Parts: sequence; structure tokens; C-alpha cells
Amino acid sequence: DIQLTQSPSSVSASVGDRVTITCRASQVISSWLAWYQQKPGKAPKLLIYSIFNLQSGVPSRFSGSGSGTDFTLTISSLQPEDFATYYCQQANSFLSFGGGTKVDIK
Amino acid sequence: EVQLVESGGDLVQPGGSLRLSCAPSGFTFRNYWMTWVRQALGKGLEWVANIKQDGSEKYYVDSVRGRFTISRDNAKNSLYLDMNSLRAEDTAVYYCARGYYHYDTWGQGTLVIVSS
Repeated sequence: DIQLTQSPSSVSASVGDRVTITCRASQVISSWLAWYQQKPGKAPKLLIYSIFNLQSGVPSRFSGSGSGTDFTLTISSLQPEDFATYYCQQANSFLSFGGGTKVDIK
Repeated sequence: EVQLVESGGDLVQPGGSLRLSCAPSGFTFRNYWMTWVRQALGKGLEWVANIKQDGSEKYYVDSVRGRFTISRDNAKNSLYLDMNSLRAEDTAVYYCARGYYHYDTWGQGTLVIVSS
């Protein structure tokens, strides 16, 4: 099974900051890597799929990149509604999620 | 509007059984893989099981294989998760979600508590 390790586990940032979250896989992932945002008490929301494809309705300040075993979610200019926990997820071999990265207010 | 609504969560004793249901609307259910994902309180997401469009393929995380059964009834537009031999570590919010490689639609979740 593929293990996903996210870093950092938490980050404090201010509105307008650029935030980068990393997801490292224990094996090579072809293209089935997605990112989700989850706010307290709510279901996760799909942001990015297949490494870099922006889900419909998601603001363009979110972007995904990477290849092989290293992947990144970037928020180019953090907005108040972006404070949340973010998860990566792979579907290359069975399915698994990363441990999450909490983005909170600095 | 594309929507998923879970139901069936409850307080159950260790060793007990429970059936969760998921009711889709706003899309053609029989055309999609469907998935159950769970989240223990304050913890991360864990994929539990998924099922192919026609129910011919089903996959489970190791920790529930042999105890949980995913199924669907395309005629009734329903997804199910039958949970047996429940353990304390199965306590979580259970979400149904649409898709296989990624999940573009999620329900609001239903809470299962396994405790004596």
C-alpha cells in the first residue's frame, strides 16, 4: 500500500501569504493524486484532481503540481475562507489519504 | 443539485451491527463508482470501501475486510455499508462519496459510536 506523508502538519499564516503544502508518497504515483479542503464539522471538498486539475468552482489561487513521489498544493494568496485542513489522496494503488495539514491564522 | 445524504449512524455496543445508507440525487447513480470514507473524531480521513457501478467489484481497507460489506441497489438509488463485529476503533463519522480516483461529491456524514 502507498503511504502519503504531508508536511507540515500545521502552518500558521496571514491573509495574503503564499502557502505551500507537500505530500510525499512511499511509491511512485502516476497521476491519481487529489487534494481536499475540510472545514470543522463539514465534509471534505475536492480542490485539485489528477495532480494539477482544478475542480470546477474552485478559485484559481489554488494550484497543484508535482510528479513521481513528491506533490505540492499551493495557495497563492491566502484568503480568510482558506483557513482549514487540507488532505492529499492517492488512487494509484488502492486508496489512501495523507495525514492532513491544518492552516490556521497567524 | 448533486447531493448525497447518509443515514443510519447510531450508538452501538462492541460486537454489534449497523447498516448505513446513502441516498444520491441529482445525478445518474448507476454510472458512478461509490465510496465510503470515515473520520474518527479529531483525526484524518480513512478510505473504507468502494464499489463499481454494477456492484461487480468491491474493495476494502484491511481493517474492515470480513466485517464490513459495501453494496448498492441501482434500482432503488441507494448505497449501503453493512457493519458487523463493530469495535471501538470503528467509531467515526462515515461519509459516502462519489467517484473512484477522486471524490467530487460528499455527503454530510453520519456518526457511528461503538461503546458499551
